[in-house]
Amino acid sequence: AQSVTQLGSHVSVSEGALVLLRCNYSSSVPPYLFWYVQYPNQGLQLLLKYTTGATLVKGINGFEAEFKKSETSFHLTKPSAHMSDAAEYFCAVSDQSTGGGNKLTFGTGTQLKVEL
Amino acid sequence: ETGVTQTPRHLVMGMTNKKSLKCEQHLGHNAMYWYKQSAKKPLELMFVYSLEERVENNSVPSRFSPECPNSSHLFLHLHTLQPEDSALYLCASSQRPGLDNSPLHFGNGTRLTVT
Repeated sequence: AQSVTQLGSHVSVSEGALVLLRCNYSSSVPPYLFWYVQYPNQGLQLLLKYTTGATLVKGINGFEAEFKKSETSFHLTKPSAHMSDAAEYFCAVSDQSTGGGNKLTFGTGTQLKVEL
Repeated sequence: ETGVTQTPRHLVMGMTNKKSLKCEQHLGHNAMYWYKQSAKKPLELMFVYSLEERVENNSVPSRFSPECPNSSHLFLHLHTLQPEDSALYLCASSQRPGLDNSPLHFGNGTRLTVT
């Protein structure tokens, strides 16, 4: 069974500061990994994904994440936070061995607050 | 326009009511999903349809009944719900069944309140 742990349900940063949102996963097979963002009163929007190949993945809005197999981590970073980045962020894992659709397992989410 | 449209956006219903949630995707995808999002809990996968065939039913109570008449439409029929069923219900779609790295595209959800 796969699982996702997001450390810190709330993270607060100053505008212009580094954003680091942590995600650790467990999976019995090589995983596919995703980060999604949810703005208030909206659904989830894909930020980036890791499938195979390069372990540093770049996504939209200046975010990136690095897959570290030895640490079973997929932390999300952004060099400089912007007020518009305030939202809830979800890490998710998909088991490569499943078929018939992409059945993601999500973490509990991290609420990012950006302060002036 | 998210490509995945859910109606209604908000729904208040009593425990004895019957209502339906509707989802429509305009992306040409072949898999559709229902997720439940409750406060302080991970998103819970409820149902998966791949090529209009149900491929996943995660021990969801029978008071929730999905229907997928074609690859573009997905319904969730609700009957005799409980207050703990109050949540945001999210519909999603993805490109190809069996392509497990295809990202999910979500609708904006239906906020359900059961009184």
